[in-house]
Amino acid sequence: EVQLVESGGDLVQPGGSLRLSCAASGFTFSSHEMNWVRQAPGKGLEWVSYISSSGSNIYYADSVKGRFTISRDNAENSLYLQMNSLRAEDTAVYYCARPVMVHAQEFDYWGQGTLVTVSS
Amino acid sequence: EIVLTQSPATLSLSPGERATLSCRASQSVRGYLAWYQQKPGQAPRLLIYDASNRATGIPARFSGSGSGADFTLTISSLEPEDFAVYYCQQRSNWPLTFGGGTKVEIK
Repeated sequence: EVQLVESGGDLVQPGGSLRLSCAASGFTFSSHEMNWVRQAPGKGLEWVSYISSSGSNIYYADSVKGRFTISRDNAENSLYLQMNSLRAEDTAVYYCARPVMVHAQEFDYWGQGTLVTVSS
Repeated sequence: EIVLTQSPATLSLSPGERATLSCRASQSVRGYLAWYQQKPGQAPRLLIYDASNRATGIPARFSGSGSGADFTLTISSLEPEDFAVYYCQQRSNWPLTFGGGTKVEIK
């Protein structure tokens, strides 16, 4: 059974940093691209970042470019999101998501989400 | 950035009725459009990918159609568990973008 489990969400002050993790199981993690998607409280979905299966290709939303870094450890079956210079508008539930097939960034598996709150 | 506009924002229907949801893109996304269902406190659930392909385990009452810039999600006969928020998402261009959502509520 495919499972994605996020962790690392917390309350952090503006300007602070946080590292999110997503532990994957039930599939060959190293063969799959991965993404982070977020959802502010009461709002819609926003794509955040993509990483290829090898980690060699990475994309970011403009809203996080230069502040967030996506990475992965295929030996540990884990995906990460390093979040720096956090702002109030980064407050959201962050989901890791797996695409339905290679090169098709439409997501058939999602984690349960981890809440990041940026507030003083 | 491709903007996806969903309409209506809210759809008030009764169980057993047909639901028709629209997603319009600011430019062509070819056939690269997905639909998701989300219930409160839950992660989104993929219903349709590449405009018309049902995801694994999705009931046949859900169908997707369209290409280019205009897409439709149809729920042929609403079941009680179908009342939720629905989002469309395009994968044609980076950045990936989502529509603002349509809430299907019980009339």
